[in-house]
Amino acid sequence: EADIYQTPRYLVIGTGKKITLECSQTMGHDKMYWYQQDPGMELHLIHYSYGVNSTEKGDLSSESTVSRIRTEHFPLTLESARPSHTSQYLCASSPRWNEQFFGPGTRLTVL
Amino acid sequence: AQRVTQPEKLLSVFKGAPVELKCNYSYSGSPELFWYVQYSRQRLQLLLRHISRESIKGFTADLNKGETSFHLKKPFAQEEDSAMYYCALLFSGGYNKLIFGAGTRLAVHP
Repeated sequence: EADIYQTPRYLVIGTGKKITLECSQTMGHDKMYWYQQDPGMELHLIHYSYGVNSTEKGDLSSESTVSRIRTEHFPLTLESARPSHTSQYLCASSPRWNEQFFGPGTRLTVL
Repeated sequence: AQRVTQPEKLLSVFKGAPVELKCNYSYSGSPELFWYVQYSRQRLQLLLRHISRESIKGFTADLNKGETSFHLKKPFAQEEDSAMYYCALLFSGGYNKLIFGAGTRLAVHP
């Protein structure tokens, strides 16, 4: 079934650990995005990709990095997690710029 | 600067009452606006977009360029409409991106 998947759904981790949030889509979309959302606040774009080997930073500065080696896979990595990284991370994909399909999200807590 | 404002964090109504979720935007270009919805324990999903001029689940939204608004309306609220609603603006400068408002939680009581 065509969908967009995120793992893990919840992650509690200690300061200084390296983490990778996984995002995969089976929709065949070229464009993919990562958003960060704090509780009760708006979504902020932190990374996006036009396609394979294309990655760009969004409008919210983030210490995370992304890669796009395969069309369907867009992982986000934090080399050294800190409590300020505690947030919800949403992955999305799009066949066009104007409609985005969202994954279920990963709720990250850094102790 | 481009901005989307949803002035109400919470809107509480009774079943059968009319609903209006407010959205105002700031954008110098020709706006393209959307409403996204997130039901409890579900993912964020597109509800409707202004260019389609569609009615989804009884909701409609009209773009008012004079008032820079894109309010979401439904004449008779249902309990299943309870959810978080986000207004979003497509910003076409440089790279196309969606700018989201902070969201409004709609609570429909029986």
